[in-house]
Amino acid sequence: IQMTQSPSSLSASVGDSVTMSCRASQSIGDNLSWYQHRPGEPPKLLIYSASNLHTGVPSRFSGSGSGTDFTLTISSLQPVDFATYYCQRTYSTPRTFGQGTKVEIK
Amino acid sequence: EVQLVQSGAEVKQPGESLRISCQGSQYNFINYFITWVRQVPGKGLEWMGWIDPSDSYINYGPSFQGHVTLSVDKSISTAYLQWSSLKASDTAIYYCARTNYYDSGKRTDYWGQGTLVTVSS
Repeated sequence: IQMTQSPSSLSASVGDSVTMSCRASQSIGDNLSWYQHRPGEPPKLLIYSASNLHTGVPSRFSGSGSGTDFTLTISSLQPVDFATYYCQRTYSTPRTFGQGTKVEIK
Repeated sequence: EVQLVQSGAEVKQPGESLRISCQGSQYNFINYFITWVRQVPGKGLEWMGWIDPSDSYINYGPSFQGHVTLSVDKSISTAYLQWSSLKASDTAIYYCARTNYYDSGKRTDYWGQGTLVTVSS
């Protein structure tokens, strides 16, 4: 099963709302996680089971979708949110990651 | 607080062997899989595989089967990633992470700080 993210990068300003997509080549139900990865830091779990906010993650992050199409939305971008975001299927193995969406400052 | 502490950066020559480590603390080590993830410079995250510390069950990603070895010493809450003969293409940051395989959310929730492995002649 392949995981395809789009766009590969996007430019946005602080306060903007942004949405990014992740598509699975076969249905994975709601077995999807989203991670934020900032340079020099380990990845950070944001969303699990497609739409559940992980403990301590700000409510401006939200996830939706099931089956093959998923989205991650950041409702009001903050300076700390400029990073690369990865989806990962969490059903069966290999637990493939998408190729990432880089959120850059406009 | 749950912690995964990885061993320090390594610089090796092609053909050399290497073992890096990941020590868990402040949780029951045998109750969570240890996942390994690679990030080649400038590239994305790649799932390498995982090990169940309770019984050493291992599942390797297709790209890594036969190229690396995962192991664990549950007596010291430590997982290992090992190469017998490094290649320049192994240059990357390697992360370990804790995965709750039995949780309905199947969360990979705590990560080590990463170990940079540089392979160069």
